[in-house]
Amino acid sequence: GQQVMQIPQYQHVQEGEDFTTYCNSSTTLSNIQWYKQRPGGHPVFLIQLVKSGEVKKQKRLTFQFGEAKKNSSLHITATQTTDVGTYFCAFYNQGGKLIFGQGTELSVKP
Amino acid sequence: DAGVIQSPRHEVTEMGQEVTLRCKPISGHNSLFWYRQTMMRGLELLIYFNNNVPIDDSGMPEDRFSAKMPNASFSTLKIQPSEPRDSAVYFCASSSGTSVYNEQFFGPGTRLTVL
Repeated sequence: GQQVMQIPQYQHVQEGEDFTTYCNSSTTLSNIQWYKQRPGGHPVFLIQLVKSGEVKKQKRLTFQFGEAKKNSSLHITATQTTDVGTYFCAFYNQGGKLIFGQGTELSVKP
Repeated sequence: DAGVIQSPRHEVTEMGQEVTLRCKPISGHNSLFWYRQTMMRGLELLIYFNNNVPIDDSGMPEDRFSAKMPNASFSTLKIQPSEPRDSAVYFCASSSGTSVYNEQFFGPGTRLTVL
């Protein structure tokens, strides 16, 4: 069935560096959601994108949905230790199920 | 609102025992989801309910797993008999169903260890 691939699987950065995770699909997606899961925590919804080429910002976080609606990215500017966690992209398939990517685990060295 | 509530938070049991996980969704939400998270398989949807009715249980691994939602404020996920490979974190999530693509609110999870 439909799925998304996230890269990289792991990312280690120095505090203050930027970070980007990518979410790729071989088929067109109707929507993309992003979730963050802190270590030992549960996934927390960050944002949803539905329009081709859509860009949304939340403070230091920038989310993009590709023009072809087959990929998405999450970019964090000037990472902080509070950004540590795993970032998941997810999409609703035609059957109404939310399908999650494998996630990108971000660690930040102070 | 208290958010999604799950119990127990941790469960350690022996192989062959029955395990029951419980979930109380956010009041007013009409969709409820059960997920399992492991290092190997990531976050997998097991089953989801809409208005207390099971809609898709294709993610339930085998007949040892069953889920019920007797009313809008309570759901259970049961494993009988449990096996060591069932060890995982089980999350319950709920959503309001007000649009086609709803954000899901996750509970804190139940960490299950089957010895």
